[in-house]
Amino acid sequence: ILNVEQSPQSLHVQEGDSTNFTCSFPSSNFYALHWYRWETAKSPEALFVMTLNGDEKKKGRISATLNTKEGYSYLYIKGSQPEDSATYLCAFKGANNLFFGTGTRLTVIP
Amino acid sequence: EAGVAQSPRYKIIEKRQSVAFWCNPISGHATLYWYQQILGQGPKLLIQFQNNGVVDDSQLPKDRFSAERLKGVDSTLKIQPAKLEDSAVYLCASSLIRHNEQFFGPGTRLTVL
Repeated sequence: ILNVEQSPQSLHVQEGDSTNFTCSFPSSNFYALHWYRWETAKSPEALFVMTLNGDEKKKGRISATLNTKEGYSYLYIKGSQPEDSATYLCAFKGANNLFFGTGTRLTVIP
Repeated sequence: EAGVAQSPRYKIIEKRQSVAFWCNPISGHATLYWYQQILGQGPKLLIQFQNNGVVDDSQLPKDRFSAERLKGVDSTLKIQPAKLEDSAVYLCASSLIRHNEQFFGPGTRLTVL
């Protein structure tokens, strides 16, 4: 069992604010880092799969960076909207399976 | 393309009862996963199938949990008998092949009273 940590556990932001979350993971035996968005009562949706140190990925207002040497990834949301309210999960992939963090629960207040 | 289907979406049972969950993966996906997500924790892999064979069931509590994937398509996960600590969301996911991107179903929320 690998230790994947996410912070904060939860946060509330006002509509229009920008925000970011952290995922920390083991820096050894790294294969990929996945980010998922999980809205209540829906399926977890893949946001990004990141494999290379220094990777930066962007999807609309959401972007992510990766540092495999120090074992962390940041997820940024620019200009948060109410529809961004969800739990954001990161998952570390080593040689075998995915190990998930506990998630960051984001609530965007209109 | 249809996504991963799961049923039921919600289930409430009493402890010591039995329960079964069903998953239909994306067509053509060889690898199927069952995860357990307890409130406040991240999803934890219970079992992984490659076609109809088990690849990894190291985290499956085999005294009460069982899973099968007959014909390498649909899968069922069973708990018998259920305990209070089994209350969780059970997620099914599939991927085209092992180590590829996983696509998740909406999950089954189990409450054991």
